[in-house]
Amino acid sequence: EPEVTQTPSHQVTQMGQEVILRCVPISNHLYFYWYRQILGQKVEFLVSFYNNEISEKSEIFDDQFSVERPDGSNFTLKIRSTKLEDSAMYFCASSEALVAGGYNSPLHFGNGTRLTVT
Amino acid sequence: AQSVAQPEDQVNVAEGNPLTVKCTYSVSGNPYLFWYVQYPNRGLQFLLKYITGDNLVKGSYGFEAEFNKSQTSFHLKKPSALVSDSALYFCAVPSTSGTYKYIFGTGTRLKVLA
Repeated sequence: EPEVTQTPSHQVTQMGQEVILRCVPISNHLYFYWYRQILGQKVEFLVSFYNNEISEKSEIFDDQFSVERPDGSNFTLKIRSTKLEDSAMYFCASSEALVAGGYNSPLHFGNGTRLTVT
Repeated sequence: AQSVAQPEDQVNVAEGNPLTVKCTYSVSGNPYLFWYVQYPNRGLQFLLKYITGDNLVKGSYGFEAEFNKSQTSFHLKKPSALVSDSALYFCAVPSTSGTYKYIFGTGTRLKVLA
């Protein structure tokens, strides 16, 4: 079964450094997302991406964050200058679109990148 | 705005007993409701969804969910719990913003005791 893959599985960085989290969504999917989860608790929406542009972003997704789909297969999340509070598990997800619209399509998640900012 | 609530942070159940993980929803229009499971150090996995039709929805790993419109609930159930069902469970609803964002509940940790 096709999977969403994320690399690296664990990233440690110093405060103020830039990080890029990488994702390869399922190949025929059209909608892409980043979520994060702090301390194994609530799953927080960061951003959704469709047709090569951001569809929606949350308040968390400030100017320090950006997303890109550089080559039609990868989907990246960049944090320009990391803060301690950015430490979390970051999940990439993708979904396909059905004729009735995306609401019928479940999300397929990767196994996440654990980001630790020191 | 669409939302879901999971009133229990943790549910403990003995192996072999039936389990219920609760979810209530607040949506405008027809509700589309989802359950996901998260095992340790893994991403969320889709379990089942309610779109329309039968109020009892069957999903993966023997789970089912009962949609109740009058109680605005979508509880996850399994007739006989396994120790391997121990995980974090999330209900979710898509946003109506037109951007296909999914809103997740706060999660319920299920612990099945041998």
